[in-house]
Amino acid sequence: KAGVTQTPRYLIKTRGQQVTLSCSPISGHRSVSWYQQTPGQGLQFLFEYFSETQRNKGNFPGRFSGRQFSNSRSEMNVSTLELGDSALYLCASSSTGPETQYFGPGTRLLVL
Amino acid sequence: TQLLEQSPQFLSIQEGENLTVYCNSSSVFSSLQWYRQEPGEGPVLLVTVVTGGEVKKLKRLTFQFGDARKDSSLHITAAQTGDTGLYLCAGEGSGNTPLVFGKGTRLSVIA
Repeated sequence: KAGVTQTPRYLIKTRGQQVTLSCSPISGHRSVSWYQQTPGQGLQFLFEYFSETQRNKGNFPGRFSGRQFSNSRSEMNVSTLELGDSALYLCASSSTGPETQYFGPGTRLLVL
Repeated sequence: TQLLEQSPQFLSIQEGENLTVYCNSSSVFSSLQWYRQEPGEGPVLLVTVVTGGEVKKLKRLTFQFGDARKDSSLHITAAQTGDTGLYLCAGEGSGNTPLVFGKGTRLSVIA
């Protein structure tokens, strides 16, 4: 079975721009969660989608949004980028919920 | 808000030494997961412990879930350079609430 894939792997943007990251979960998995990882804050939960519906949301501003398509693939969007948005963005999939999550390799975003 | 505290934050040891890392909380979790993350990669699940007092062994790694399901430990026997990485614990609450992650223990094993 193919693992979780994320594209792109690396991204450089400037302040004020917006960015869209993509995640393809393991085949058959319906839950996709997104996390932001920084050295200072660790792994912080952004949101979770299950069957195209946002089921949980973390404590991030509205500039961070996401969606899930009918094939379970998910995208997250960050608008009006700030320097502090520089981080590793991780996507994880699971069959139904937070149990046994499988992570992708992440997208490293650098905001200049 | 549920929080998980991991200690130590950093650990540098010689190959062959033993070590223990801790994951503590004031909250009760339905399960506790341990992950290892290597540079440039996403976390990889090592084990899930579910029952209070449970002990699981994975080769040289021993995981324990506290009796009250509020804390966990990871013990590595005879560490190898391949054990180097960031070790993360994550707690699962009730229902479909998101996992809560600790900030991790960064382990460096030197030959």
